[in-house]
Amino acid sequence: AQSVSQHNHHVILSEAASLELGCNYSYGGTVNLFWYVQYPGQHLQLLLKYFSGDPLVKGIKGFEAEFIKSKFSFNLRKPSVQWSDTAEYFCAVSASNTGKLIFGQGTTLQVKP
Amino acid sequence: EAEVAQSPRYKITEKSQAVAFWCDPISGHATLYWYRQILGQGPELLVQFQDESVVDDSQLPKDRFSAERLKGVDSTLKIQPAELGDSAMYLCASSFNSAVSGNTIYFGEGSWLTVV
Repeated sequence: AQSVSQHNHHVILSEAASLELGCNYSYGGTVNLFWYVQYPGQHLQLLLKYFSGDPLVKGIKGFEAEFIKSKFSFNLRKPSVQWSDTAEYFCAVSASNTGKLIFGQGTTLQVKP
Repeated sequence: EAEVAQSPRYKITEKSQAVAFWCDPISGHATLYWYRQILGQGPELLVQFQDESVVDDSQLPKDRFSAERLKGVDSTLKIQPAELGDSAMYLCASSFNSAVSGNTIYFGEGSWLTVV
């Protein structure tokens, strides 16, 4: 069965610090990979996605993620965080033939001004 | 930008009562999903529809939960009777077609349920 593991439950950073959130998945077949963000009081929004091609994908608001197939990882990065990045971040994976999205448990990011 | 519409946004109900949530997906989206998100956890899929047909309800507690999408457009999720452990956010989502590679899922704002 597919599963997604996010290494950090709660991350606290100061503004301008660099961010890396870990995500590992388990699935033997072809997968699609996603990062979603949930700002306080808002709905889940897509940050970025990987389906195929260049393993380094760029998303909105300066976020990027790198798919490393050999490590079953899809870590999220941002070189310099802002206070407005305070939110919950979810990594998700879907098997390419089902569309069923499996989420990790989420990482709460708190950015101090 | 088109959105997935859900109602009600908030619902408080007593245990053993019935509760229902409604979802209107983005126009033209064939696939509709209902997820449950317990506080502090990631969303978990309850049921997935392709048009009016259920394609995955393996995680739906069928003794008390039911879902329908009769005309392949909007959908209703019902809980009867509600239990204290059902307190969570119920998310509806839709996508153009889950069978298409590169399918992106769009989420509604969710319906918060508190069972007292």
